[in-house]
Amino acid sequence: EAGVAQSPRYKIIEKRQSVAFWCNPISGHATLYWYQQILGQGPKLLIQFQNNGVVDDSQLPKDRFSAERLKGVDSTLKIQPAKLEDSAVYLCASSLMGFGGRGYTFGSGTRLTVV
Amino acid sequence: GENVEQHPSTLSVQEGDSAVIKCTYSDSASNYFPWYKQELGKGPQLIIDIRSNVGEKKDQRIAVTLNKTAKHFSLHITETQPEDSAVYFCAASKDTDKLIFGTGTRLQVFP
Repeated sequence: EAGVAQSPRYKIIEKRQSVAFWCNPISGHATLYWYQQILGQGPKLLIQFQNNGVVDDSQLPKDRFSAERLKGVDSTLKIQPAKLEDSAVYLCASSLMGFGGRGYTFGSGTRLTVV
Repeated sequence: GENVEQHPSTLSVQEGDSAVIKCTYSDSASNYFPWYKQELGKGPQLIIDIRSNVGEKKDQRIAVTLNKTAKHFSLHITETQPEDSAVYFCAASKDTDKLIFGTGTRLQVFP
C-alpha cells in the first residue's frame, strides 16, 4: 500500500512569513496526526483529526498555527507568521480509526528552516 | 498527562556487541509501547511493540521487555550491525489514544 505522502520535503522561509504543509494519509485511515520534531527531540503532537473533526489540539499554538482536514482525507498545516523557534521537521501520521498508536504510519516529514 | 523519559541520549557500541535503551513512563493506564527507528531524512519506522499484558517480545535480534510495576520498558539489540545506526524512539499510549514519544537515543555502531 502507498505510504503517507507529505510535501514539500524542505522549506526555508524568513521569520514572519507564512508557510503551509500538505499531507495525504494512507487510504482508509480515518485518524490523522501532525507532529513537530525539533532537532534532537522526540516528536510532539500538535493536532489529531478523526475524519474531518479535531480530537486533540491542546498543544497547537493557535495564535500562529492552524490545520484543517477537508473531506476527511488530505490535511494542511499552516504557520502564520513563522518564528525562528518553529524550525523543525513536521511529521504527518495516520492510523485506522480506533487503532491509535498501534497503527501509526509516518510520512517522511517536511523540514522547515526559519531564518 | 503521560510523560516518557528515555536514556541514554547517545550510545556507541562496537559491531557485534549488544545495545540497550531504557524508557520510563508516568501514566499507569498506558498499555501500548512501541519502538521506532528513525534514519536521516525519514519518518519514524516501527520496529517492535509490546502491550501491557506481555512481559517480553522478541523479533530476531530485537527484543523489548516491559516492567509494569516499575513503569519502565527497554529495547535490546543483539549482534549489532552498522545498519542499526539510527535514532531510536520509545513511545507510550493508551489503546486508541495518541502516542507520546521519548526524547530519542542516537545509536552508533562502529565496524
